[in-house]
Amino acid sequence: QVQLQQWGAGLLKPSETLSLTCAVYGGSFSAYSWSWIRQSPGKGLEWIGEIHHGGSSNYNPSLQSRVTISLDTSKNQFSLNLRSVTAADTAVYFCAGSLAGTTHSWGQGILVTVSS
Amino acid sequence: DIQMTQSPSSVSASVGDRVTITCRASQGISSWLAWYQQKPGKAPTLLIYAASTLQSGVPSRFSGSGFGTDFTLTISSLQPEDFATYFCQQTNSFPRTFGQGTKVDIK
Repeated sequence: QVQLQQWGAGLLKPSETLSLTCAVYGGSFSAYSWSWIRQSPGKGLEWIGEIHHGGSSNYNPSLQSRVTISLDTSKNQFSLNLRSVTAADTAVYFCAGSLAGTTHSWGQGILVTVSS
Repeated sequence: DIQMTQSPSSVSASVGDRVTITCRASQGISSWLAWYQQKPGKAPTLLIYAASTLQSGVPSRFSGSGFGTDFTLTISSLQPEDFATYFCQQTNSFPRTFGQGTKVDIK
């Protein structure tokens, strides 16, 4: 089972871009799909999107216009960019690794707060 | 999007109790369902996938069942470490969606 470690800025102003990165240790990077999931008190767990090793991606339609998930296979890392954030994007963000759709491994989570 | 509805939203139980949590999908998802446990301040951990397959290392007191739209997670004899919040997730289609969670707390 892979281990995930994530990092990125935890405090943003409205209209800025949220950028998070997740490093993958152990296991086979190419066997998994890599996803981002967020959790806020008001909306529970929300799947943001995922990217497959070949580079294809799927996004939540509710966020698709603002989200990009990318891979860096040379570093066994993947990243999330969420543009034009508002207070509604305040949440704990998790990176995760999935096999056949099931999320088997989770990062530790980062609280991202959007506030002016 | 497929809506996942869990019930109850919370349950109070004692050590040794049998606890059952249900999850209903707004449309059929075959067996594409996973259950997760989450403790405060921690990431969720996978308990069951494919509706009834126990993840490696998960105690056998956890079991899952169901097909189509109706699913259950059962804890046969609640242990102190099981007090947590439980989520279901459909993995049948995009976007993946979660239930709102069921908090299991101490009676």
